[in-house]
Amino acid sequence: EVQLVESGGGLVQPGGSLRLSCAASGFTLSSYDMHWVRQGIGKGLEWVSAIGLAGDTYYPGSVKGRFTISREDAKNSLYLQMNSLRVGDTAVYYCARLGGGAAPGNAFDVWGQGTMVTVSS
Amino acid sequence: QSALTQPASVSGSPGQSITISCIGTSSDVGGYNYVSWYQHHPGKAPKLMIYEVINRPSGVSNRFSGSKSGNTASLTISGLQAEDEADYYCSSYTSSSTWVFGGGTRLTVL
Repeated sequence: EVQLVESGGGLVQPGGSLRLSCAASGFTLSSYDMHWVRQGIGKGLEWVSAIGLAGDTYYPGSVKGRFTISREDAKNSLYLQMNSLRVGDTAVYYCARLGGGAAPGNAFDVWGQGTMVTVSS
Repeated sequence: QSALTQPASVSGSPGQSITISCIGTSSDVGGYNYVSWYQHHPGKAPKLMIYEVINRPSGVSNRFSGSKSGNTASLTISGLQAEDEADYYCSSYTSSSTWVFGGGTRLTVL
């Protein structure tokens, strides 16, 4: 079964750091572009970061310079290092696969259940 | 990159059809056929309903259809059912090599 499972969420103070993990099963993570998407409380979905097949990375202006996406092929896992966290970063964070090949293309076809990050003093 | 514009809410009775719009720009929706739609029930993972503007993944009901004209994409749900009640989001690739979501639309089945 194709599955993504996030972990690492929790409570952190403003200015603090947190590292999220996303374990993939049922497919090889390095064969797909992988993304992080978040949803703030009472808010909509917001794209947070992406890592391409070649390890190229992309971020929106709201997190650029503070967040770093990476992957570890040997562990079939994706990570999001979040530094200088702000109250506004409070959200459920989802990892998502960008489909391709035999899977639906250019869309997020597999999602994890999410992990909650709360930034508060 | 600004969020794509969706109506905050739509509603319809069982059996009726509804359409949700998603307005972007020539740098995202209008420039690429990489528009997708997601159904999101609170507390669950979002589910892909439409990809590349018009395509349905395997297992998604043919009551769901997508289209695009210029900078506006649309999701139509026909034969509304109670289980369709959820939040719906559009998404698009952008010319900045980033991705953007719409603000979301709450569908209420009356």
